[in-house]
Amino acid sequence: KNQVEQSPQSLIILEGKNCTLQCNYTVSPFSNLRWYKQDTGRGPVSLTIMTFSENTKSNGRYTATLDADTKQSSLHITASQLSDSASYICVVPQGYGGSQGNLIFGKGTKLSVKP
Amino acid sequence: DGGITQSPKYLFRKEGQNVTLSCEQNLNHDAMYWYRQDPGQGLRLIYYSQIVNDFQKGDIAEGYSVSREKKESFPLTVTSAQKNPTAFYLCATKTVEAGNTIYFGEGSWLTVV
Repeated sequence: KNQVEQSPQSLIILEGKNCTLQCNYTVSPFSNLRWYKQDTGRGPVSLTIMTFSENTKSNGRYTATLDADTKQSSLHITASQLSDSASYICVVPQGYGGSQGNLIFGKGTKLSVKP
Repeated sequence: DGGITQSPKYLFRKEGQNVTLSCEQNLNHDAMYWYRQDPGQGLRLIYYSQIVNDFQKGDIAEGYSVSREKKESFPLTVTSAQKNPTAFYLCATKTVEAGNTIYFGEGSWLTVV
């Protein structure tokens, strides 16, 4: 069964600290994995897309990793800020190219950054 | 200003009423999607459309209907047959450019009163 599992479900950290969010997937065929940030009551915004051949990709203070062998991805947030408080959603499309209409969504990790 | 516009942001529906959520995009993307988001749950696909005048049911299409008469517009009607419509609804678009990135609107909150 195609699934995307995220952990932890929620996380509270102090401002300035680092944290790592996990995503495990069992989607086949696999072509890429996406991380989105969703502020409360807003639409998700893309943070990064990891393709099959990429191991690490950074976007400012966000660094995503992908291990296609173990089917795991992580999102590392460095020097957290209050504005990082949001839900982070891992998404894996099933299929290739234009057939990627079937997106498998994780339930998200809700991150709260406290001052 | 380019993007995806969803309206209204907040909508209250009486039981037995049909309501329509609007989604308009000026990104010139071919594919458009409607998702439903419930607290603590992942997004679930309601309907999607790859081209004008064509659309497909998603995982939870029962009680919903859509139309795609124009490339820019993909309205979602929540019918009285949808027994538990209170949720956050997200419209999205996709283009094969930019690595098939999905772009989301700001969402619409629907509450049954």
